[in-house]
Amino acid sequence: GQNIDQPTEMTATEGAIVQINCTYQTSGFNGLFWYQQHAGEAPTFLSYNVLDGLEEKGRFSSFLSRSKGYSYLLLKELQMKDSASYLCAVDGSGAGSYQLTFGKGTKLSVIP
Amino acid sequence: KAGVTQTPRYLIKTRGQQVTLSCSPISGHRSVSWYQQTPGQGLQFLFEYFSETQRNKGNFPGRFSGRQFSNSRSEMNVSTLELGDSALYLCASSLGTISYNEQFFGPGTRLTVL
Repeated sequence: GQNIDQPTEMTATEGAIVQINCTYQTSGFNGLFWYQQHAGEAPTFLSYNVLDGLEEKGRFSSFLSRSKGYSYLLLKELQMKDSASYLCAVDGSGAGSYQLTFGKGTKLSVIP
Repeated sequence: KAGVTQTPRYLIKTRGQQVTLSCSPISGHRSVSWYQQTPGQGLQFLFEYFSETQRNKGNFPGRFSGRQFSNSRSEMNVSTLELGDSALYLCASSLGTISYNEQFFGPGTRLTVL
């Protein structure tokens, strides 16, 4: 099966940097997604990592280590609008079937 | 470019009934995926359709089914509704299949089963 862990909640200060971790145990792996979801809204795609390493996209970066089953999302120069839930999801397969498994999400609160 | 649209936005049904939800993807997108989101379980993958064929399926009972039409629009059907089916149902579209492609989500259909 698939198991994904991420912290439930985090708080950070406006202008700071925050790192949201995601660890996973899966029987198959194609890639790892990060999504942002504001309260009451649909998720928005942030990144998809296939290879190990850091991928930077503006203020957001995502890191993947496949050997360690570990990823993180790095948010720089935090803004109030970054207050949202951040979901990681593993795109993989197991037992001959495709699986796309989401973590429960990390609720990030940005404070002044 | 219009985004992903879902109808209806809200729905109330009673146990035992069936329901059909509709999703219109972004023009040119051939993949439509469906998800269930609840406070307890979070976001869970239901299935993906690509070019009218079910390409991938999550771990949901057979009461959950779907289809995709030649214009890429998709419908999801839930039969014999249970209280636990109350959830936000989201669909997402992408140019290609889920892997390696950015997905765009619709606003969701909020289903309440009484």
